[in-house]
Amino acid sequence: QKEVEQDPGPLSVPEGAIVSLNCTYSNSAFQYFMWYRQYSRKGPELLMYTYSSGNKEDGRFTAQVDKSSKYISLFIRDSQPSDSATYLCAMSGAAGNKLTFGGGTRVLVKP
Amino acid sequence: DGGITQSPKYLFRKEGQNVTLSCEQNLNHDAMYWYRQDPGQGLRLIYYSQIVNDFQKGDIAEGYSVSREKKESFPLTVTSAQKNPTAFYLCASNRGQGSGQPQHFGDGTRLSIL
Repeated sequence: QKEVEQDPGPLSVPEGAIVSLNCTYSNSAFQYFMWYRQYSRKGPELLMYTYSSGNKEDGRFTAQVDKSSKYISLFIRDSQPSDSATYLCAMSGAAGNKLTFGGGTRVLVKP
Repeated sequence: DGGITQSPKYLFRKEGQNVTLSCEQNLNHDAMYWYRQDPGQGLRLIYYSQIVNDFQKGDIAEGYSVSREKKESFPLTVTSAQKNPTAFYLCASNRGQGSGQPQHFGDGTRLSIL
């Protein structure tokens, strides 16, 4: 079993819908949680970065961390075709150093 | 503009050949990382370096080598011992261990076998 599980998708939604993404993990030592967006043939771009449990909002993006359930989520409101990409969750322990990634979820927002 | 530059964008390797991927950053970051990305498998850590002249193996270091002679540069050599080198290689950096700072990535090098 992988340390971080993420549904590969693809997840197809109409423009304007809410995109809901999630990851589950097994290592209770993870304390830093990240979401990256990756366009085809490009490097991952950091979207959200949270420490420990709770919610964080940035524009159309909301990240949630539930450490008791070992479950993190990313919500994208008012989705746009430009949000079509692969979304990667990543996490690390107390040192905030070595990242463990999920396999990524491919999202397609249709106009 | 500060960032991470990886070159070349595409690289082809012949059987038995070593190839070197370049990674340069001007973010004044202490730590640098190399990842390999295969379809559907996320990113896997090859090597990382916390400081100049020091580096550690990641989860899949076999068949790869690195050096860290300058703070700005962290080249990765894919040796002939790496039997399945075809992948997308990503370099990242951050302020370093204990900083709690996220890693930022370059735009990758795609390596293929000729």
